[in-house]
Amino acid sequence: DGGITQSPKYLFRKEGQNVTLSCEQNLNHDAMYWYRQDPGQGLRLIYYSQIVNDFQKGDIAEGYSVSREKKESFPLTVTSAQKNPTAFYLCASSPTRTGGEEYFGEGSWLTVV
Amino acid sequence: GQQLNQSPQSMFIQEGEDVSMNCTSSSIFNTWLWYKQEPGEGPVLLIALYKAGELTSNGRLTAQFGITRKDSFLNISASIPSDVGIYFCAGRGYALNFGKGTSLLVTP
Repeated sequence: DGGITQSPKYLFRKEGQNVTLSCEQNLNHDAMYWYRQDPGQGLRLIYYSQIVNDFQKGDIAEGYSVSREKKESFPLTVTSAQKNPTAFYLCASSPTRTGGEEYFGEGSWLTVV
Repeated sequence: GQQLNQSPQSMFIQEGEDVSMNCTSSSIFNTWLWYKQEPGEGPVLLIALYKAGELTSNGRLTAQFGITRKDSFLNISASIPSDVGIYFCAGRGYALNFGKGTSLLVTP
């Protein structure tokens, strides 16, 4: 089936450790996005990529890093510099570089213990 | 990006009632999207709007792109229990700007 796959669904991290969240899409979409969602809040943009080997910071990029080496993959690393990393992370993709509709994966829960 | 103003924050209604929610922005958008999110899942796209004044339906859902391009409305007719969830509006700039969501509870 075509879609966006995020893994793992649940992840626990000790303070001071980096962790990488995976996002893969087989929709042949050009653009991919990472959002963070906190309880009772809307989604906030972390990073986005409109083309392979290029990405841009969103509103809350500090403490996060990404790469886009392949069109179908856009992993997010939550570094130890992120002060409050416990959240629900959502990956999305859209067909064109200019956006339009975005389609989301099922999300990854990250908890710092 | 900016946070959009979405209201109401929550709604508690009986099955069969109609529902209305809206979203406003201080900026003009060229695209408005409406999503539904269920607990622990990613948002699912319900309706996409691309033109000011556009009115689009998807089953019992109807959404409108405001004529000023700074607002959008979503209506759900004859609500059913499976309509329960959080509904988000989003306006497109270089990426999507989201509202905080409207939490909908439907009692049988």
